[in-house]
Amino acid sequence: DIVMTQTPLSSPVTLGQPASISCKSSQRLVHDSGNTYLSWLQQRPGQPPRLLIYKISNRFSGVPDRFSGSGAGTDFTLRISRVEAEDVGVYYCMQSAQFPWTFGQGTKVEI
Amino acid sequence: EVQLVESGGDLIQPGGSLRLSCAASGFSVSNTYVSWVRQAPRKGLEWLLVFFNGGSTFYADSVKGRFTVSSDTSKNTLYLQMNNLRAEDTALYYCALSTVTGAFDNWGLGTLVTVSS
Repeated sequence: DIVMTQTPLSSPVTLGQPASISCKSSQRLVHDSGNTYLSWLQQRPGQPPRLLIYKISNRFSGVPDRFSGSGAGTDFTLRISRVEAEDVGVYYCMQSAQFPWTFGQGTKVEI
Repeated sequence: EVQLVESGGDLIQPGGSLRLSCAASGFSVSNTYVSWVRQAPRKGLEWLLVFFNGGSTFYADSVKGRFTVSSDTSKNTLYLQMNNLRAEDTALYYCALSTVTGAFDNWGLGTLVTVSS
């Protein structure tokens, strides 16, 4: 199974300042289709997860442009350019390149 | 509009069985990828299985042999049959839709399963 490792597990942030989360996979995430299926999800307190970024760097519909994803191979990063209060929650990376699909442990972002 | 609505969660004794439902609207469960994902209390997300291409499945080892997914196309609903439940199966169970993004585009609100005597 592909292991997804996120750092840090907790990230105190300051409103208006940038924040970043790292995700490392134990194997490359290139699917047979040639796509790299690495996505990022946000889970606000008491809510289901919400897709932010798919295929490394594509913002999902309705996601603010302060969120961006980057990376290649086995190293990926989610960046928030300027943290807003509504960004508080837990962020997960996920790979869907190979079964079983797996999540990172989650990174708690708090002000 | 895409919507997924889970139901069927309950308090169940260890060793018991339960069937969860995921009612879909805005898309057909018979030609998409729909997964079940769970979240134990104060824990992270755990992918359990995917139902795709109208009948193909893949299960995580943690539930293989105990959980079975099926569909009713007339109701556009996915079912999760859970047998021989254990305390560690206590969680909020979500169904989630994957499309060409290869990710989980849409999620339901979840249904809570508590396994306890």
